[in-house]
Amino acid sequence: AQSVTQLGSHVSVSEGALVLLRCNYSSSVPPYLFWYVQYPNQGLQLLLKYTTGATLVKGINGFEAEFKKSETSFHLTKPSAHMSDAAEYFCAVSALAGTALIFGKGTTLSVSS
Amino acid sequence: DTEVTQTPKHLVMGMTNKKSLKCEQHMGHRAMYWYKQKAKKPPELMFVYSYEKLSINESVPSRFSPECPNSSLLNLHLHALQPEDSALYLCASSREDRNTEAFFGQGTRLTVV
Repeated sequence: AQSVTQLGSHVSVSEGALVLLRCNYSSSVPPYLFWYVQYPNQGLQLLLKYTTGATLVKGINGFEAEFKKSETSFHLTKPSAHMSDAAEYFCAVSALAGTALIFGKGTTLSVSS
Repeated sequence: DTEVTQTPKHLVMGMTNKKSLKCEQHMGHRAMYWYKQKAKKPPELMFVYSYEKLSINESVPSRFSPECPNSSLLNLHLHALQPEDSALYLCASSREDRNTEAFFGQGTRLTVV
């Protein structure tokens, strides 16, 4: 079965600091992995995705993630946090059958000035 | 157009009411989804429609009744809901491929009184 585990339900950083949000996956087949962001009372917006090919994936708003098969990880990073990055972040994997996404529990990112 | 539009944005209903949530997309996606999201939790999959046919029902109570009138529209009919059904209801759509991302609407904030 496919699943993702997000380590750390809450991450706090200072403005300008490195952002690192952790995601590990479990998959019986090559996984398709996604990071989404959700601002309060809004829907989910895709930040980036890994399907095949280059293992370092660049997304919107300066975020990137690296697929590491040996570590079964897909951690999300941003070199310099902005106040506007404060939100809920979800890692997701495609289900084995069908097209639905399976989400991790989410990580709340707080950014202080 | 990469939008998924959900109406209404907010809904308050009594436990004896009947109401419907609506979702529309014009991206030509043939997979559409309903998710339920409680506060500080990830989205939980409720239903999946594939080519306008219900393909997945995640053991959702019958007081929730989905409908897909055509390839662009998805409805969720609500009847005799309970206060614990209060949540953000998210609609999403995607292509019919495992390696594709889902596009989410802004959600309907439902309160059952």
